[in-house]
Amino acid sequence: SAVISQKPSRDICQRGTSLTIQCQVDSQVTMMFWYRQQPGQSLTLIATANQGSEATYESGFVIDKFPISRPNLTFSTLTVSNMSPEDSSIYLCSVGVQEGYTFGSGTRLTVV
Amino acid sequence: GESVGLHLPTLSVQEGDNSIINCAYSNSASDYFIWYKQESGKGPQFIIDIRSNMDKRQGQRVTVLLNKTVKHLSLQIAATQPGDSAVYFCAENRGDYKLSFGAGTTVTVRA
Repeated sequence: SAVISQKPSRDICQRGTSLTIQCQVDSQVTMMFWYRQQPGQSLTLIATANQGSEATYESGFVIDKFPISRPNLTFSTLTVSNMSPEDSSIYLCSVGVQEGYTFGSGTRLTVV
Repeated sequence: GESVGLHLPTLSVQEGDNSIINCAYSNSASDYFIWYKQESGKGPQFIIDIRSNMDKRQGQRVTVLLNKTVKHLSLQIAATQPGDSAVYFCAENRGDYKLSFGAGTTVTVRA
C-alpha cells in the first residue's frame, strides 16, 4: 500500500494567519483527498485534489478558505486560510488504492 | 464476549474476550465498506474491507459482516488484546473513492 508523509505533524497558529499542510505519497496516485477531523469527532471530506485540474470541494467547504494545490501525482498541499479557533482540528490527506484507502498521520492544528 | 446491537460510542471489553462493533450506513447504493482503527495521535489505519457482493469477510482476528437488508455493518475482534484499544470507524464508499465515515466507537480493553 502507499506510504504517505504529512507535515507538519502539529502546529499552533495565531488567528488570522494561514497554514499550509503538505502531503507526499511514495507512488503516483490519481486522486488525493483531504479530510478534517474535529476534536472527538469523525472524519469529514473537505475536497478531492485532482492533478491538472481544480480541486473539487464538498458542501460546506470553499476554495477561498481551503485552497488546494496538486502540482504532480505524488504531492498535494492544503492551506487553511484566515484561521479562527473553530479551525482547530486534525487535517488528514488520503489516497485511494486498490485495497483500502491510506491515510497520512495527520496535522494537528490548534488556533489561538 | 461483549457485543452491542446498536452503535454505541464506547465499548469496554475484558482482555481475551471477543468484541463486536456495529455501524449503520446510509446509502443503499454503497458498494464498498471499510473498517479503520485510529490510535491516539495517528491517522486511521486500514483493518479490513468488504464489497457489497459479500456478506462476510475474515482477516487476522477480525471478521466483518455486512447486512445489506438493514444497511448494517459489524466488526468482530477475536481475543481482544490491550493493543486493540483505539477508536474504530466504519466508512462507506460514496463513489469516486470518496468515503463517508461513521461516528466511531472507542474501544477500551480491561486487563
